Amino acid sequence: DQQVKQNSPSLSVQEGRISILNCDYTNSMFDYFLWYKKYPAEGPTFLISISSIKDKNEDGRFTVFLNKSAKHLSLHIVPSQPGDSAVYFCAASATGANNLFFGTGTRLTVIP
Amino acid sequence: EAGVAQSPRYKIIEKRQSVAFWCNPISGHATLYWYQQILGQGPKLLIQFQNNGVVDDSQLPKDRFSAERLKGVDSTLKIQPAKLEDSAVYLCASSPYPRTGPEDTQYFGPGTRLTVL
Repeated sequence: DQQVKQNSPSLSVQEGRISILNCDYTNSMFDYFLWYKKYPAEGPTFLISISSIKDKNEDGRFTVFLNKSAKHLSLHIVPSQPGDSAVYFCAASATGANNLFFGTGTRLTVIP
Repeated sequence: EAGVAQSPRYKIIEKRQSVAFWCNPISGHATLYWYQQILGQGPKLLIQFQNNGVVDDSQLPKDRFSAERLKGVDSTLKIQPAKLEDSAVYLCASSPYPRTGPEDTQYFGPGTRLTVL
Protein backbone atom coordinates (compact mmCIF):
# COMPACT_ATOMS: atom_id res chain seq x y z
CA ASP A 1 0.00 0.00 0.00
CA GLN A 2 1.61 3.22 -1.24
CA GLN A 3 1.00 5.82 1.45
CA VAL A 4 2.90 8.55 -0.37
CA LYS A 5 2.24 9.04 -4.06
CA GLN A 6 3.90 11.05 -6.77
CA ASN A 7 1.73 10.63 -9.81
CA SER A 8 3.98 12.39 -12.29
CA PRO A 9 7.02 10.25 -13.12
CA SER A 10 8.64 13.04 -15.11
CA LEU A 11 8.51 16.79 -15.68
CA SER A 12 10.33 19.01 -18.18
CA VAL A 13 10.66 22.74 -17.65
CA GLN A 14 12.49 25.53 -19.41
CA GLU A 15 15.34 27.20 -17.55
CA GLY A 16 14.12 30.24 -15.63
CA ARG A 17 10.54 29.03 -15.38
CA ILE A 18 8.78 27.56 -12.37
CA SER A 19 8.89 23.83 -11.62
CA ILE A 20 6.00 22.41 -9.60
CA LEU A 21 6.30 18.89 -8.23
CA ASN A 22 3.30 17.31 -6.54
CA CYS A 23 2.84 14.73 -3.83
CA ASP A 24 -0.22 13.17 -2.19
CA TYR A 25 -0.44 11.10 0.98
CA THR A 26 -3.11 8.93 2.52
CA ASN A 27 -2.04 8.50 6.15
CA SER A 28 -3.55 11.25 8.34
CA MET A 29 -0.96 10.48 11.05
CA PHE A 30 1.82 11.95 8.92
CA ASP A 31 2.86 15.29 10.37
CA TYR A 32 6.27 15.91 8.88
CA PHE A 33 7.09 16.04 5.20
CA LEU A 34 10.35 16.24 3.34
CA TRP A 35 11.65 16.55 -0.17
CA TYR A 36 14.81 14.77 -1.22
CA LYS A 37 16.79 15.28 -4.38
CA LYS A 38 18.71 12.46 -6.00
CA TYR A 39 21.37 12.59 -8.68
CA PRO A 40 22.40 9.43 -10.54
CA ALA A 41 24.75 7.14 -8.60
CA GLU A 42 24.28 9.17 -5.42
CA GLY A 43 22.08 8.78 -2.38
CA PRO A 44 19.10 11.10 -1.81
CA THR A 45 20.00 14.43 -0.23
CA PHE A 46 17.68 16.43 1.96
CA LEU A 47 16.25 19.52 0.26
CA ILE A 48 13.47 21.06 2.31
CA SER A 49 10.89 20.04 4.88
CA ILE A 50 7.65 21.21 6.42
CA SER A 51 5.82 20.46 9.63
CA SER A 52 2.07 19.97 9.62
CA ILE A 53 1.65 23.08 11.78
CA LYS A 54 2.69 25.17 8.79
CA ASP A 55 1.29 25.50 5.31
CA LYS A 56 4.37 26.97 3.66
CA ASN A 57 8.13 26.81 4.06
CA GLU A 58 10.57 28.69 1.90
CA ASP A 59 14.31 28.27 1.41
CA GLY A 60 15.80 30.34 -1.36
CA ARG A 61 14.46 29.16 -4.68
CA PHE A 62 12.58 26.28 -3.06
CA THR A 63 9.15 26.53 -1.46
CA VAL A 64 7.04 23.69 -0.14
CA PHE A 65 3.29 24.11 0.29
CA LEU A 66 1.16 21.83 2.44
CA ASN A 67 -2.60 21.42 2.14
CA LYS A 68 -3.58 19.16 5.04
CA SER A 69 -7.26 18.97 4.17
CA ALA A 70 -6.39 17.68 0.70
CA LYS A 71 -3.43 15.62 1.98
CA HIS A 72 -1.35 17.23 -0.71
CA LEU A 73 1.98 18.96 -0.84
CA SER A 74 3.94 20.56 -3.61
CA LEU A 75 7.47 21.75 -4.20
CA HIS A 76 8.00 24.92 -6.20
CA ILE A 77 11.38 25.76 -7.69
CA VAL A 78 11.73 29.31 -8.98
CA PRO A 79 13.62 30.00 -11.14
CA SER A 80 14.51 26.53 -12.36
CA GLN A 81 18.13 25.90 -13.27
CA PRO A 82 19.75 23.09 -15.28
CA GLY A 83 21.52 21.92 -12.12
CA ASP A 84 18.10 21.21 -10.62
CA SER A 85 17.70 18.30 -13.03
CA ALA A 86 17.39 15.25 -10.78
CA VAL A 87 14.84 12.84 -9.32
CA TYR A 88 12.81 14.39 -6.51
CA PHE A 89 11.31 12.21 -3.79
CA CYS A 90 8.57 13.26 -1.44
CA ALA A 91 8.70 11.60 1.99
CA ALA A 92 6.53 11.65 5.09
CA SER A 93 6.79 10.59 8.70
CA ALA A 94 4.70 10.58 11.86
CA THR A 95 5.57 11.95 15.29
CA GLY A 96 7.60 9.48 17.30
CA ALA A 97 8.56 7.46 14.25
CA ASN A 98 11.92 7.95 12.64
CA ASN A 99 11.22 5.97 9.49
CA LEU A 100 10.21 7.74 6.33
CA PHE A 101 7.70 6.68 3.71
CA PHE A 102 8.81 7.68 0.24
CA GLY A 103 6.96 8.37 -2.96
CA THR A 104 8.12 6.88 -6.25
CA GLY A 105 9.86 10.05 -7.38
CA THR A 106 9.52 12.60 -10.16
CA ARG A 107 12.34 13.09 -12.64
CA LEU A 108 12.77 16.80 -13.31
CA THR A 109 14.57 17.93 -16.43
CA VAL A 110 15.38 21.62 -16.76
CA ILE A 111 16.05 22.50 -20.36
CA PRO A 112 18.66 25.23 -20.93
CA GLU B 1 31.98 16.28 8.43
CA ALA B 2 32.23 12.92 6.66
CA GLY B 3 29.02 11.54 5.21
CA VAL B 4 27.56 8.06 5.31
CA ALA B 5 29.96 5.58 3.75
CA GLN B 6 28.88 2.41 1.95
CA SER B 7 30.73 -0.37 0.21
CA PRO B 8 30.87 -1.91 -2.26
CA ARG B 9 29.28 0.55 -4.69
CA TYR B 10 28.36 -2.17 -7.18
CA LYS B 11 27.94 -5.92 -6.91
CA ILE B 12 26.93 -8.53 -9.46
CA ILE B 13 26.11 -12.03 -8.27
CA GLU B 14 24.21 -15.05 -9.48
CA LYS B 15 20.97 -16.13 -7.86
CA ARG B 16 21.35 -18.34 -4.81
CA GLN B 17 24.70 -16.74 -3.97
CA SER B 18 25.20 -14.68 -0.85
CA VAL B 19 26.24 -11.04 -0.60
CA ALA B 20 27.02 -8.53 2.16
CA PHE B 21 26.94 -4.76 2.24
CA TRP B 22 28.69 -2.48 4.71
CA CYS B 23 27.68 0.92 6.07
CA ASN B 24 29.46 3.41 8.30
CA PRO B 25 27.12 6.17 9.50
CA ILE B 26 27.92 9.78 10.29
CA SER B 27 29.87 9.99 13.53
CA GLY B 28 27.60 10.40 16.53
CA HIS B 29 24.42 9.34 14.73
CA ALA B 30 22.65 6.79 16.88
CA THR B 31 20.01 5.71 14.38
CA LEU B 32 20.87 3.71 11.28
CA TYR B 33 18.55 2.59 8.48
CA TRP B 34 18.77 0.22 5.57
CA TYR B 35 16.52 0.88 2.58
CA GLN B 36 15.87 -1.07 -0.58
CA GLN B 37 15.19 0.94 -3.72
CA ILE B 38 13.96 -1.06 -6.68
CA LEU B 39 14.22 0.63 -10.06
CA GLY B 40 11.34 3.06 -10.59
CA GLN B 41 10.28 3.02 -6.94
CA GLY B 42 11.03 5.04 -3.85
CA PRO B 43 13.25 3.74 -1.08
CA LYS B 44 11.57 1.22 1.21
CA LEU B 45 12.72 0.75 4.78
CA LEU B 46 14.11 -2.70 5.54
CA ILE B 47 15.42 -2.25 9.06
CA GLN B 48 16.07 0.50 11.59
CA PHE B 49 18.63 0.35 14.40
CA GLN B 50 18.79 2.51 17.47
CA ASN B 51 22.40 2.16 18.63
CA ASN B 52 22.86 -1.61 18.33
CA GLY B 53 19.23 -2.55 18.94
CA VAL B 54 16.60 -3.20 16.27
CA VAL B 55 13.70 -0.72 16.32
CA ASP B 56 11.81 -1.86 13.23
CA ASP B 57 12.47 -4.83 10.97
CA SER B 58 8.89 -5.49 9.91
CA GLN B 59 9.72 -5.13 6.20
CA LEU B 60 12.86 -7.28 6.28
CA PRO B 61 12.48 -10.68 4.53
CA LYS B 62 13.98 -12.55 7.42
CA ASP B 63 14.20 -15.87 5.62
CA ARG B 64 17.01 -14.47 3.47
CA PHE B 65 18.00 -11.05 4.78
CA SER B 66 19.88 -10.35 7.99
CA ALA B 67 21.47 -7.23 9.42
CA GLU B 68 23.58 -6.41 12.40
CA ARG B 69 25.05 -3.34 13.99
CA LEU B 70 27.71 -4.44 16.39
CA LYS B 71 28.96 -1.82 18.87
CA GLY B 72 26.29 0.59 17.66
CA VAL B 73 28.41 2.07 14.89
CA ASP B 74 28.82 0.43 11.49
CA SER B 75 26.41 -2.13 10.10
CA THR B 76 26.27 -4.99 7.63
CA LEU B 77 23.30 -6.20 5.61
CA LYS B 78 23.44 -9.73 4.22
CA ILE B 79 21.35 -11.57 1.67
CA GLN B 80 21.56 -15.36 1.57
CA PRO B 81 20.51 -16.78 -0.82
CA ALA B 82 19.86 -13.97 -3.30
CA LYS B 83 16.92 -14.00 -5.68
CA LEU B 84 16.44 -12.17 -8.96
CA GLU B 85 13.96 -9.78 -7.33
CA ASP B 86 16.63 -8.62 -4.88
CA SER B 87 18.21 -6.58 -7.68
CA ALA B 88 18.04 -3.04 -6.33
CA VAL B 89 20.03 -0.22 -4.79
CA TYR B 90 20.57 -0.71 -1.07
CA LEU B 91 20.77 2.59 0.74
CA CYS B 92 22.07 3.19 4.22
CA ALA B 93 21.04 6.30 6.13
CA SER B 94 21.71 7.69 9.59
CA SER B 95 20.21 10.32 11.84
CA PRO B 96 20.70 11.67 15.33
CA TYR B 97 18.23 10.53 17.98
CA PRO B 98 16.04 11.97 19.15
CA ARG B 99 15.18 14.21 16.28
CA THR B 100 15.87 17.77 17.36
CA GLY B 101 14.38 19.83 14.56
CA PRO B 102 13.27 20.09 10.93
CA GLU B 103 16.85 20.11 9.74
CA ASP B 104 17.58 16.96 11.68
CA THR B 105 16.74 14.39 9.11
CA GLN B 106 18.15 11.24 7.57
CA TYR B 107 21.42 11.44 5.70
CA PHE B 108 21.90 8.89 2.98
CA GLY B 109 24.96 7.14 1.67
CA PRO B 110 25.56 6.65 -2.05
CA GLY B 111 24.09 3.15 -2.03
CA THR B 112 25.15 -0.26 -3.30
CA ARG B 113 23.72 -1.31 -6.63
CA LEU B 114 23.10 -5.07 -6.58
CA THR B 115 22.43 -7.03 -9.74
CA VAL B 116 21.33 -10.63 -9.36
CA LEU B 117 21.66 -12.70 -12.54
